[in-house]
Amino acid sequence: DADVTQTPRNRITKTGKRIMLECSQTKGHDRMYWYRQDPGLGLRLIYYSFDVKDINKGEISDGYSVSRQAQAKFSLSLESAIPNQTALYFCATSDRGTGLFTDTQYFGPGTRLTVL
Amino acid sequence: GESVGLHLPTLSVQEGDNSIINCAYSNSASDYFIWYKQESGKGPQFIIDIRSNMDKRQGQRVTVLLNKTVKHLSLQIAATQPGDSAVYFCAENNAGNMLTFGGGTRLMVKP
Repeated sequence: DADVTQTPRNRITKTGKRIMLECSQTKGHDRMYWYRQDPGLGLRLIYYSFDVKDINKGEISDGYSVSRQAQAKFSLSLESAIPNQTALYFCATSDRGTGLFTDTQYFGPGTRLTVL
Repeated sequence: GESVGLHLPTLSVQEGDNSIINCAYSNSASDYFIWYKQESGKGPQFIIDIRSNMDKRQGQRVTVLLNKTVKHLSLQIAATQPGDSAVYFCAENNAGNMLTFGGGTRLMVKP
């Protein structure tokens, strides 16, 4: 979905390096999410944000940090990348719904990260 | 494109046939369910959703069935086309207010 963009699309890095993945959206949504996808597994939530400066841990937040400085942007950082963080990373957005997580999430195209 | 899942369950159907993809969910308190389609090299795309106060919902060529008694969700695709080939994920909004995704099923459509 062109309304949600992620940069870079592919990244290869070395163990111990700091990496930042960027997500931008033009949908005007308040809520943004970062997920990780591993082969044979579903998406797992890393962090989510319901508004600017609002940050919440998801299922697997260890080793990651995020920043939400503007409504349209949500960045994910790996302070010191390790090989088991090799995965597909997806950003998603959603509008405010009638309850937590009951609104449809729209996903970006993903970033393939490889940590050597 | 990227490999979404190397060891996913696979459903192989003939073009024109109907497809049924199944999903078992874990939490009886979940009140909202979504089906997503993920094509190679792309992010998941919303297909259809259903709330727990319904047992069936229809979209264009797709139908979602919810059986709360056995905690089972299914996605039916009518007249399956080659463009339907993808990995399909179900997701549930469970009592912890987290959206939990299933592992996915790969649908392969044979011409």
